[in-house]
Amino acid sequence: QVQLVESGGGFVKPGGSLRLSCAASGFTFSEYYMTWIRQAPGKGLECISYISMPGTYTNYADSVKGRFTISRDNAKNLLYLHMNSLRVDDTAVYYCARDGGRFNDAWGQGTLVTVSS
Amino acid sequence: DIQMTQSPSSVSASVGDRVTITCRASQGVNTWLAWYQQKPGKAPKLLIYVTSILQSGVPSRFSGSGSGTDFTLTISSLQPEDFATYYCQQADSFPWTFGQGTRVEIK
Repeated sequence: QVQLVESGGGFVKPGGSLRLSCAASGFTFSEYYMTWIRQAPGKGLECISYISMPGTYTNYADSVKGRFTISRDNAKNLLYLHMNSLRVDDTAVYYCARDGGRFNDAWGQGTLVTVSS
Repeated sequence: DIQMTQSPSSVSASVGDRVTITCRASQGVNTWLAWYQQKPGKAPKLLIYVTSILQSGVPSRFSGSGSGTDFTLTISSLQPEDFATYYCQQADSFPWTFGQGTRVEIK
């Protein structure tokens, strides 16, 4: 079955960096766009980035543009989110999700990123 | 960015009730509208996409309708497992944006 497993979350100070990973299984990873979506504690959902199948095209929400970088390794079925210059308001659960045609039809369990001094 | 506004923010209902949640976009999104269900501590689950297409495995008591800027999610007969928070999402223009959520609570 389709499975997405995020890792790499944790506690970081403002200005710090973190790299999230998402391991995909149960489907042909290289045939899907992939997305990162986050949810601040007790808040709603924010789509922050997506990446095309070969990884050549990426897009970012303004809130993370210039600070975050999405990438993928299709040979290893891995999706990444490199996060730099982290701010307190980046604190959230970060989900990776499969893009089934602009809609996210499979989600990981999420990984919590806490940015605090 | 396209703003998505859901109403109501919360609704109290009983098992067997018909529940309707509306979602309004700040500009037209054609039919690029999805609905997700999220239970506490869990990831969202896709229920409906392209306004009215039921995701595989989702019970037929869920239905969606609308176009342009106004959309509706209907649960025809609320079941115990349906108590959750529901989000709409537009996918017409990136960044895909979500409504603020509608919490369906037990009456």
